[in-house]
Amino acid sequence: AQTVTQSQPEMSVQEAETVTLSCTYDTSENNYYLFWYKQPPSRQMILVIRQEAYKQQNATENRFSVNFQKAAKSFSLKISDSQLGDTAMYFCAFMMANAGTYKYIFGTGTRLKVLA
Amino acid sequence: NAGVMQNPRHLVRRRGQEARLRCSPMKGHSHVYWYRQLPEEGLKFMVYLQKENIIDESGMPKERFSAEFPKEGPSILRIQQVVRGDSAAYFCASSLNSGTENSPLHFGNGTRLTVT
Repeated sequence: AQTVTQSQPEMSVQEAETVTLSCTYDTSENNYYLFWYKQPPSRQMILVIRQEAYKQQNATENRFSVNFQKAAKSFSLKISDSQLGDTAMYFCAFMMANAGTYKYIFGTGTRLKVLA
Repeated sequence: NAGVMQNPRHLVRRRGQEARLRCSPMKGHSHVYWYRQLPEEGLKFMVYLQKENIIDESGMPKERFSAEFPKEGPSILRIQQVVRGDSAAYFCASSLNSGTENSPLHFGNGTRLTVT
């Protein structure tokens, strides 16, 4: 069975600095997708970034980038130039397709606090 | 293009009553997922549906909980004879997955259920 592990329950970072959130997963599949979601205090789940496993190039979205290490089954999120609005819970998620169905598995989350 | 719509936003029920949570997926999305989130915790998968079919209900309690996604109309998560332990935020998400395109989950704003 697939699992997603986020080993850092809480982290903090100074405004304008860089922080990296870790995520590892376990699967025997070769084709899958990985995502990072952000849940601010408003509780809205917001997609931050996605990565296709077949792509070697790491995805980037403005200040957000990932370090995808397929062999190590690692998918960390780097936030550069942290802003107060980045304060949120961050969830790593894994998705695989199987015969027309699509399974999403979420990690337990990392609570990030950006300090002024 | 409207996002995933959930209603009500807040729902208060007394113990023993029924709770009905509604979710309209994004236009064109035929995959619907329900998640439950307790305060300060992650997302717990409950059920995955496609139009008129339950694909995976492994995360849903066998008793009192049911879900449907009819051909017409929203998906409904129904909790009968609610107990205090059912108090949580319930999130619905939808995706546009198909044989040629895989997409992330798009989340609604959630329904916060409080059982008194």
